[in-house]
Amino acid sequence: GDSVTQMEGPVTLSEEAFLTINCTYTATGYPSLFWYVQYPGEGLQLLLKATKADDKGSNKGFEATYRKETTSFHLEKGSVQVSDSAVYFCALSRTGNQFYFGTGTSLTVIP
Amino acid sequence: DAGITQSPRHKVTETGTPVTLRCHQTENHRYMYWYRQDPGHGLRLIHYSYGVKDTDKGEVSDGYSVSRSKTEDFLLTLESATSSQTSVYFCAISRSGSESYEQYFGPGTRLTVT
Repeated sequence: GDSVTQMEGPVTLSEEAFLTINCTYTATGYPSLFWYVQYPGEGLQLLLKATKADDKGSNKGFEATYRKETTSFHLEKGSVQVSDSAVYFCALSRTGNQFYFGTGTSLTVIP
Repeated sequence: DAGITQSPRHKVTETGTPVTLRCHQTENHRYMYWYRQDPGHGLRLIHYSYGVKDTDKGEVSDGYSVSRSKTEDFLLTLESATSSQTSVYFCAISRSGSESYEQYFGPGTRLTVT
């Protein structure tokens, strides 16, 4: 069945460091892929998305490219800030009525 | 802002009591979902709805029931709460007709079963 695997955390980085959070997926066909972010005490917020192979989603300095050949959708940011501290979730959907989430990666950015 | 509210936001209840959580949306979307979030498990789907009176089970539906009598409201009921149902519960909607089907989440309900 469909599934998402993302790197386990927690991840701790210094401010202005480069961030990569790995995400790979298993699905038939061509799912849509998403990254969500969850700040403490809040619900998940859509960070970025990609709907087809080679699409690059981007938002707030974060980027992820839909790689069909490696079934991956890694999240990157060139220079993290303290305000980026949160939990990040990778997700996929093929049908629009079923979504599959990774277990989340906690990021802490220290000044 | 996707116009999703959840009530209550926090609840403490005793084992064996019934509990109902409410999700309300203002945007008339067809799909609504209930998830629970637990450390080490991420988000797990409990039930979802694809229309008024149309619901289906998710991966962790045992011990939970749902109802949707109006487009805007999706209720989650724990018939007899157990300590294993202590969790944070999130409601989500999916924008039907959206090309990429992204979900939008409510703020969550923290439920503690003592």
